[in-house]
Amino acid sequence: GDSVTQMEGPVTLSEEAFLTINCTYTATGYPSLFWYVQYPGEGLQLLLKATKADDKGSNKGFEATYRKETTSFHLEKGSVQVSDSAVYFCALSDRYGNKLVFGAGTILRVKS
Amino acid sequence: EAGVVQSPRYKIIEKKQPVAFWCNPISGHNTLYWYLQNLGQGPELLIRYENEEAVDDSQLPKDRFSAERLKGVDSTLKIQPAELGDSAVYLCASSLDGREGSTEAFFGQGTRLTVV
Repeated sequence: GDSVTQMEGPVTLSEEAFLTINCTYTATGYPSLFWYVQYPGEGLQLLLKATKADDKGSNKGFEATYRKETTSFHLEKGSVQVSDSAVYFCALSDRYGNKLVFGAGTILRVKS
Repeated sequence: EAGVVQSPRYKIIEKKQPVAFWCNPISGHNTLYWYLQNLGQGPELLIRYENEEAVDDSQLPKDRFSAERLKGVDSTLKIQPAELGDSAVYLCASSLDGREGSTEAFFGQGTRLTVV
């Protein structure tokens, strides 16, 4: 079945450092890809998404590009802030958005 | 606009007792999901509703779990009897009709269940 694998954490960075969180997927057909973020004490929030190959999703300085050839959707940010500390989940769904399949999540800690 | 509302936020019960969780989705969202999130893992789908109909309940342990969505709006998820291994966060999410394309799912804050 469909699955998502993301890099294990926690990832600890200093403020203004460059961030990459790797995500690869296995799926049939043409899934949509997502990054969700969970801040402490809050629910999951959609951070960005891409619905077809070569699409780039972006939001709040974060970016991820849908790479069909490498089945990847890596999350990047050029300069992280302390407020970016959270758990980041990579996910996929079928083209109709019927079911989200999540990775295990990556904890990001940014220190000042 | 109010988001997805879940209650209670926290629940502690003894094993073998029943427990119920409630979810109010975003107004107008006809698709509702219940997810289970174990500690250190990503959420896993338990059941998906399109209006009142449960269209995917393949991952719901039907021997002890049940769910309903009366009138296609609010939903309840019940566990009876609860087991120690049911300790987890139960997430509710809603979205617009997904048949026309990939749509965003909005999540509630979840109910953290502890079974002792």
